[in-house]
Amino acid sequence: SQQGEEDPQALSIQEGENATMNCSYKTSINNLQWYRQNSGRGLVHLILIRSNEREKHSGRLRVTLDTSKKSSSLLITASRAADTASYFCATGANTGGFKTIFGAGTRLFVKA
Amino acid sequence: GAVVSQHPSWVICKSGTSVKIECRSLDFQATTMFWYRQFPKQSLMLMATSNEGSKATYEQGVEKDKFLINHASLTLSTLTVTSAHPEDSSFYICSARAGQFMNTEAFFGQGTRLTVV
Repeated sequence: SQQGEEDPQALSIQEGENATMNCSYKTSINNLQWYRQNSGRGLVHLILIRSNEREKHSGRLRVTLDTSKKSSSLLITASRAADTASYFCATGANTGGFKTIFGAGTRLFVKA
Repeated sequence: GAVVSQHPSWVICKSGTSVKIECRSLDFQATTMFWYRQFPKQSLMLMATSNEGSKATYEQGVEKDKFLINHASLTLSTLTVTSAHPEDSSFYICSARAGQFMNTEAFFGQGTRLTVV
């Protein structure tokens, strides 16, 4: 079953604006990862944040993790049309084996 | 990052036939591989965990006799969809992790789009 829930389900913004996507999960985790998927294609790994970390940056990406609230956020600053994609959070946990479970995803559309 | 190659990238087959999808880790040894299925506009659903040299562990609701998984070596796992039907049409993605430690990145293949006609 799905571990994470993401909101919003869909987000439409203008180029140059910031995009924030949130992810909530249910069980304890070892890490949380964010991925991007262009329509009908494979996954691109963006960031992995461990359960003992609170914030991580990579270029225009900023990820936060609040294990007390079981939530994470992905911020994309100064968005570009090329950022248009679906974004998924995925939690890594030892739930009957080490598994990575995906959230429902946020479909981001950046208008030029 | 490490490379995971999935083949074929797309396949069309007739209803009732079987289809094999390969997942290879090209530059690392993958002790664990995962198979996911993704329906249009939905998220990835974990189907099974494949461990080298042992039987795969299937998620609840996934028919192990229909989705045969073999992980015969540290660089290759295969998923065979047996007696495929149109409802099996989906995007199948594998991922591989170098070790058993959770705090390492899982690398994903490019996915295989299966269409059963």
